[in-house]
Amino acid sequence: DAGITQSPRHKVTETGTPVTLRCHQTENHRYMYWYRQDPGHGLRLIHYSYGVKDTDKGEVSDGYSVSRSKTEDFLLTLESATSSQTSVYFCAIRPGLAGGGQETQYFGPGTRLLVL
Amino acid sequence: GENVEQHPSTLSVQEGDSAVIKCTYSDSASNYFPWYKQELGKGPQLIIDIRSNVGEKKDQRIAVTLNKTAKHFSLHITETQPEDSAVYFCAAGANNLFFGTGTRLTVIP
Repeated sequence: DAGITQSPRHKVTETGTPVTLRCHQTENHRYMYWYRQDPGHGLRLIHYSYGVKDTDKGEVSDGYSVSRSKTEDFLLTLESATSSQTSVYFCAIRPGLAGGGQETQYFGPGTRLLVL
Repeated sequence: GENVEQHPSTLSVQEGDSAVIKCTYSDSASNYFPWYKQELGKGPQLIIDIRSNVGEKKDQRIAVTLNKTAKHFSLHITETQPEDSAVYFCAAGANNLFFGTGTRLTVIP
């Protein structure tokens, strides 16, 4: 899986509690992404990073924050989890800028999150 | 932003037959079109991609075609096998990708 790990792989939490998901890569790729996957919606981008400490919002960023203090780690935080955030979360990495074969995104194994 | 539509949502074929999945996109700035295969409990795996300067690309039993004028692209799988059964996603974009809602392909032995 292109040197990407996600932790935890499964988590059950209660509404209102904070949750942090971790994505770790060993490829030294510049770009990292967080997606959520829900039935009928495919994969939707939450946040992405284009370098250490450089992040930006995706199409479904409300209720989520991210941090990237090292090239290899990208953290996704749900400050106060809600039932609507029950989903499968995928991390992806990409080597570099679009063009010249650098656009390909490689996905991690996913984290299944249940918010009760 | 970009809007990607994917059809059909489910597809069943007999082993050995061909399968075709179609996607349309809305943003003419999109120039990269990957296809991913996702097996149960796993992350999406890239199976083939195409860039906007190419009309067709083939890799063994899998081919992708792109019509930039009509803003649609398709995945073709020939001589399907049971192990092709999975969910397939198309995507369009450049630096960021926008995904279709997926097609569940079932190959019947």
